Amino acid sequence: GAVVSQHPSRVICKSGTSVKIECRSLDFQATTMFWYRQFPKKSLMLMATSNEGSKATYEQGVEKDKFLINHASLTLSTLTVTSAHPEDSSFYICSARAGTARAHEQYFGPGTRLTVT
Amino acid sequence: DAKTTQPPSMDCAEGRAANLPCNHSTISGNEYVYWYRQIHSQGPQYIIHGLKNNETNEMASLIITEDRKSSTLILPHATLRDTAVYYCIVRVVGAGSYQLTFGKGTKLSVIP
Repeated sequence: GAVVSQHPSRVICKSGTSVKIECRSLDFQATTMFWYRQFPKKSLMLMATSNEGSKATYEQGVEKDKFLINHASLTLSTLTVTSAHPEDSSFYICSARAGTARAHEQYFGPGTRLTVT
Repeated sequence: DAKTTQPPSMDCAEGRAANLPCNHSTISGNEYVYWYRQIHSQGPQYIIHGLKNNETNEMASLIITEDRKSSTLILPHATLRDTAVYYCIVRVVGAGSYQLTFGKGTKLSVIP
């Protein structure tokens, strides 16, 4: 299957700082990217959906001013956690699909472990 | 999208078949059944999907009951690397319907 990468794989930051997570589709053009968050021993929760060149659509309860998503190109989407707090510590996972892909062809990145101290 | 019910955990002996059940009694006619798995601290991985016919690929088989209210994912010869959380997801496939809603899944432990 197609390859989606995330960078960094893990990051530790201090409370109040911002951290950016990158999601890249390595061998296809991702017209749509999704960002998920997963707390320990919990399932993945969709945070937002972004289409290249347009504003992201956030799920209910997700603060768009705190979780900034930029999908500026067909191979890169970024999630910036602004003014991070310890409760933002989580496993963040992106997924991507090409515009012509069949519905099941949605590929997930390896995830980014964020720890806010 | 219809909801699914899966047992929280299962054990399987290495080399034996792992049969993971999923109930989706409120599934609609235009909803597919998808299976993904997530190995610890990794992103989810697509396994298989189907509408009403049984499906098989290099990873697994999917058996869907005739009334489509339940399905079973079969890993024919489980290995230690199959230890993961398995998610059964039911969703409509169509224009704009690309979101995946993950439930709690089944934690499969393959035992040596």
